[in-house]
Amino acid sequence: DTEVTQTPKHLVMGMTNKKSLKCEQHMGHRAMYWYKQKAKKPPELMFVYSYEKLSINESVPSRFSPECPNSSLLNLHLHALQPEDSALYLCASSLLGSSLETQYFGPGTRLLVL
Amino acid sequence: AQRVTQPEKLLSVFKGAPVELKCNYSYSGSPELFWYVQYSRQRLQLLLRHISRESIKGFTADLNKGETSFHLKKPFAQEEDSAMYYCALQNNAGNMLTFGGGTRLMVKP
Repeated sequence: DTEVTQTPKHLVMGMTNKKSLKCEQHMGHRAMYWYKQKAKKPPELMFVYSYEKLSINESVPSRFSPECPNSSLLNLHLHALQPEDSALYLCASSLLGSSLETQYFGPGTRLLVL
Repeated sequence: AQRVTQPEKLLSVFKGAPVELKCNYSYSGSPELFWYVQYSRQRLQLLLRHISRESIKGFTADLNKGETSFHLKKPFAQEEDSAMYYCALQNNAGNMLTFGGGTRLMVKP
């Protein structure tokens, strides 16, 4: 399996809902990433996990809560989101998280907050 | 701080014409630079990276440290090259990939 998968593909939620995004890879990668991509904008880094430990949090509001239960799985828990949080959420992984490595991206979850 | 600038949001060329997508960067360390591409309805994927010095699908990119540039070039554009292209810079710690604003390339028949 040489792909990063993300579920669900689409998600609509209200501002009081709690939902989770899921990302999975079976390439043996030890670094995993969450990005947020607004329409017509580039991806922006949110979180980095290295060996299942959170290493980077790019000043993301606490209504976004990442979790890395094991080396293959990355979750993003959502609670009390705002309409401006509507975006495409991308997951990516890389082998060890070094500067020379390619990041492999999932197809994304398109989130709409009403 | 690291920053990547792609001055053109849209580049439109005819098939067979040369293409150059510009990328400039700002970074205090030694940069690792990449070009990522997103074809219609496909995921973001690596096109090439400067460390490999390779040509992928006819595209090449040369790192010019003096001009802090990493422009993407192809001598003869094809219609299937139409896509969104992002230049990206990885920091030396390997934990932060910063993307430029992207350039949409349209190759007309």
